[in-house]
Amino acid sequence: EIVLTQSPGTLSLFPGERATLSCRASQSISSNYLAWYQQKPGQAPRLLISGASTRATGIPDRFSGSGSGTDFSLTVSRLEPEDFAMYYCQQYDGSRAFGQGTKVEVK
Amino acid sequence: QVRLVESGGGLVKPGGSLRLSCAASGFTFSDYYMNWIRQAPGKGLEWVAYISSSSSDTNYADSVKGRFTISRDNARNTLYLQMNSLRAEDTAVFYCARDWGSGPLSAWGQGTLVTVSS
Repeated sequence: EIVLTQSPGTLSLFPGERATLSCRASQSISSNYLAWYQQKPGQAPRLLISGASTRATGIPDRFSGSGSGTDFSLTVSRLEPEDFAMYYCQQYDGSRAFGQGTKVEVK
Repeated sequence: QVRLVESGGGLVKPGGSLRLSCAASGFTFSDYYMNWIRQAPGKGLEWVAYISSSSSDTNYADSVKGRFTISRDNARNTLYLQMNSLRAEDTAVFYCARDWGSGPLSAWGQGTLVTVSS
């Protein structure tokens, strides 16, 4: 079973700043079967990135994903007010599992 | 448009049972794997179970194995989760979501709240 560890737990930034979130897997994820989701309070999660680096339909290009094997990251190049939220990584290599999440909050 | 609507949540006593449903529309339900994911109050997302498009394959998180059963009715475009021997720690919002089997969770419902309490 692949365990995902996200860091940091909380990221405090100003609007306009760059956010970099990390997701580390306990073993290599084949074919980069790694996704990122955004969740706002009271809402269902929304798919941002799949295959480690492919943006989902309608996702702004300020969101980008990278990485392979066991180390992955999500970058938001310039934070907009609507980007302050929870972010989760998820692996779908065989079974499924989520990381524990990173909260991006306004500094 | 793609729509997933969960129902069946509510208040149940410890040791009790509940069956959740997820009605799908706007896509070919029988083409997709389906999943249940839950989120305890103030906590993160926990994947619960998946079922393949033809129901030939299912998989469960260790935390629910032997107590929960996922099933689907492709003729009715509906996904189910039968939950038995419920515990306080099962209290959560339960979401259904679709994937390709080797793909991300590309569409989610809005969730249904299950509360296990005496």
